[in-house]
Amino acid sequence: QSALTQPASVSGSPGQSITISCTGTSSDVGGYNYVSWYQQHPGKAPKLMIYEVSNRPSGVSNRFSGSKSGNTASLTISGLQAEDEADYYCSSYTSSSTLGVVFGGGTKLTVL
Amino acid sequence: QLQLQESGSGLVKPSQTLSLTCAVSGGSISSGGYSWSWIRQPPGKGLEWIGYIYHSGSTYYNPSLKSRVTISVDRSKNQFSLKLSSVTAADTAVYYCARAFSPAFDPWGQGTLVTVSS
Repeated sequence: QSALTQPASVSGSPGQSITISCTGTSSDVGGYNYVSWYQQHPGKAPKLMIYEVSNRPSGVSNRFSGSKSGNTASLTISGLQAEDEADYYCSSYTSSSTLGVVFGGGTKLTVL
Repeated sequence: QLQLQESGSGLVKPSQTLSLTCAVSGGSISSGGYSWSWIRQPPGKGLEWIGYIYHSGSTYYNPSLKSRVTISVDRSKNQFSLKLSSVTAADTAVYYCARAFSPAFDPWGQGTLVTVSS
């Protein structure tokens, strides 16, 4: 299982919007609507922010949104806030080798 | 509110077996529609899915770890476990347990650091 591809880092100023991409293949991101996004602050466990491409769990701000086009999924954060500075990981169901899950390498978001 | 808590040895010698348990509180591990998963994160690196066990007892493992991994459930204790055999320094990581659906992972345990060293 190859990891999904994410940019190593992205940055934005407070109030701006940023988008993090997550590229896979037709065996994972492109083939299923089972993409999730996680936020991880230093020393903390990851927190689910988006599931099934674009669904937000209860309690997650509507400033976070997800989408997908072909083999690439995206997480958009609007109205950036200082507290959004964290690592973000995407994941997807994969049908390659085994019926499991593959993660992206992670993206460090810096709020300038 | 469902909570998960990992426990187990924080130091394991090379070639030995890593054993961790995840205690589930605030809900039943036998609830349908969910599976129970282990995920790890080497220091300073990204997340790696290890595997999960479904309500039915079926298990699915990361192909890169499949020959060394066993995930099991103890319904009487409302907990599930991870065993990873023949460990090396490359298995040093924070190990997380999580409930899985769709599949997405939520919630997560706080994580426990396991160091492989003699």
